[in-house]
Amino acid sequence: DIQMTQSPSSLSASVGDRVIITCRAGQPIGSYLNWYQQKPGNAPKLLIYAASDLQPGVPSRFSGSGSGTDFTLIIASLRPEDFATYYCQQSSSTPLTFGGGTRVEIK
Amino acid sequence: EVQLVQSGGGLVQPGGSLRLSCAASGLTFSNYWMHWVRQAPGKGLVWVSRIYNDGSISTYADSVRGRFTISRDNAKNTLYLQMDSLRVDDTAVYYCAKEDLGGNSELGIWGQGTLVTVS
Repeated sequence: DIQMTQSPSSLSASVGDRVIITCRAGQPIGSYLNWYQQKPGNAPKLLIYAASDLQPGVPSRFSGSGSGTDFTLIIASLRPEDFATYYCQQSSSTPLTFGGGTRVEIK
Repeated sequence: EVQLVQSGGGLVQPGGSLRLSCAASGLTFSNYWMHWVRQAPGKGLVWVSRIYNDGSISTYADSVRGRFTISRDNAKNTLYLQMDSLRVDDTAVYYCAKEDLGGNSELGIWGQGTLVTVS
């Protein structure tokens, strides 16, 4: 199984801050990396697929980059509705595996 | 609007069985691979199973293989997860999800989730 490691596991930030979340794969996965946002009590929502492609309807303040083993999700200017938990997921091979999540909290 | 509406969760004793359903609307269901993902209380997301669009091939996580069975009825636009020999550690919210056609196995639409409690 491909292990996915996210960092940090949590962070505190203010509205307007630039937020960077990283995800490392245990082996090269090309660009087979997706990012999801989950708010408490809700299902996950796809933000970014193929490492850097923005899902239609997702605000442009979200961006993704990386390939191989190291990936980054950036929120350019944090908004109140962005406080949530973010997960990366590799889709290079089954079993699909998720990172442990990064909880973004209000400072 | 594309929607996945789940049903079938609940409380079951260890060793028992439960069947989850996921009804799709607003899409040509038979075009899409479908997945189940679960989330134990306060924990992260864990992939459970996947089925091809025509139902010909299914894949499972090691933790559920031999106990869970994924299936679909394309005439009814419905995905299923038959869960047998349930264990306490199967307790979780179970989500169905549609894999988009972008070629990256991204899960573009999710059901609302259904809680399964094994106790």
